[in-house]
Amino acid sequence: DQQVKQNSPSLSVQEGRISILNCDYTNSMFDYFLWYKKYPAEGPTFLISISSIKDKNEDGRFTVFLNKSAKHLSLHIVPSQPGDSAVYFCAASYTFPSGGYQKVTFGTGTKLQVIP
Amino acid sequence: IAGITQAPTSQILAAGRRMTLRCTQDMRHNAMYWYRQDLGLGLRLIHYSNTAGTTGKGEVPDGYSVSRANTDDFPLTLASAVPSQTSVYFCASSRTPYSYEQYFGPGTRLTVT
Repeated sequence: DQQVKQNSPSLSVQEGRISILNCDYTNSMFDYFLWYKKYPAEGPTFLISISSIKDKNEDGRFTVFLNKSAKHLSLHIVPSQPGDSAVYFCAASYTFPSGGYQKVTFGTGTKLQVIP
Repeated sequence: IAGITQAPTSQILAAGRRMTLRCTQDMRHNAMYWYRQDLGLGLRLIHYSNTAGTTGKGEVPDGYSVSRANTDDFPLTLASAVPSQTSVYFCASSRTPYSYEQYFGPGTRLTVT
């Protein structure tokens, strides 16, 4: 059962416009959410995160929104640049009740293409 | 340059052969992870290690084994490779098992024929 879902495998956006990547989750225990960016032939790199106690986190051109009631988060990129073209993975984490270890579950990824 | 290195970069392997994927980090991170990435399935956790000397099973551990003899190295072994193990394998680490952010290596592309 896929606990973290990215229903759009791909997205194309014109340079300068907004890119919105969506992610849905099913596990109410998740308490931290992350976005990773992956270029071809490279490993994923951390982009931005948000705690479940917040509904918005912003870092430059990147903003993540969290709607806990809908179990939905989104990543906004404004303005989009050609260098943003990559695969974006949504990830969700929760703390094991015993031991405090983090368990991270990744989504399937969305391939973003920013067209010059 | 600090980070995670993986070897080999890519490999074609005959079914039934044994293969060890190597992973080394120089960040002195306590926790390490092995993921496989498959089209449409995203990143799935194979095995993890919260600290040197301990390992645990992830979401898809069957057919794989790991060891963590020291902090820096976390090799992944396929005892008898099967075609369904064709995938891209990523090693990752985090500062502690309680850390949210993970750092990934560049990956190993494995094809089992």
